[in-house]
Amino acid sequence: DAGVIQSPRHEVTEMGQEVTLRCKPISGHDYLFWYRQTMMRGLELLIYFNNNVPIDDSGMPEDRFSAKMPNASFSTLKIQPSEPRDSAVYFCASAPRNTEAFFGQGTRLTVV
Amino acid sequence: GQQVMQIPQYQHVQEGEDFTTYCNSSTTLSNIQWYKQRPGGHPVFLIQLVKSGEVKKQKRLTFQFGEAKKNSSLHITATQTTDVGTYFCSYSGTYKYIFGTGTRLKVLA
Repeated sequence: DAGVIQSPRHEVTEMGQEVTLRCKPISGHDYLFWYRQTMMRGLELLIYFNNNVPIDDSGMPEDRFSAKMPNASFSTLKIQPSEPRDSAVYFCASAPRNTEAFFGQGTRLTVV
Repeated sequence: GQQVMQIPQYQHVQEGEDFTTYCNSSTTLSNIQWYKQRPGGHPVFLIQLVKSGEVKKQKRLTFQFGEAKKNSSLHITATQTTDVGTYFCSYSGTYKYIFGTGTRLKVLA
């Protein structure tokens, strides 16, 4: 298995633009997580899905953020409109159950 | 909600010295996991502890879960430059994987 695949690896966008981050979890994993990592706030859980259903989105910072999982092999995190304070590394992770989480390589987002 | 604090936030050691990071929770944890993130990389799972007082070893790394299941520690014996990175503890209560604040380790050769 290729592991959790995220795209793009790097994204630079202008303030106000829409940004879409993509994730392909490991096949067979029931859980998918989106995290944001910054120096100031560490590794924050934004939202997680179980069997494609959003279970807890309490970590989503505001309405500008949305996440979807249309099927078991694909998820997106969208920011619209983007702001400079959204600059961070966004990680997607998947897990088979209540065991270890497998992380993707991350997307480094810079909003200028 | 539950929070997990780690200390220290940063640690610089000379190669060959020991290193310990501590993870503390205000509430009882069902389990504790440890991850390592190399600079510029992504978190990678190291181990999971479930039982009260559990101790597990991986070569030079020793992991411990407290008797009350509210704290945990990771100890590295005789650090090497390859140990550089940030070490996170995490717990997966109700399938939410919440990460601690992390300890950044720098090893000076």
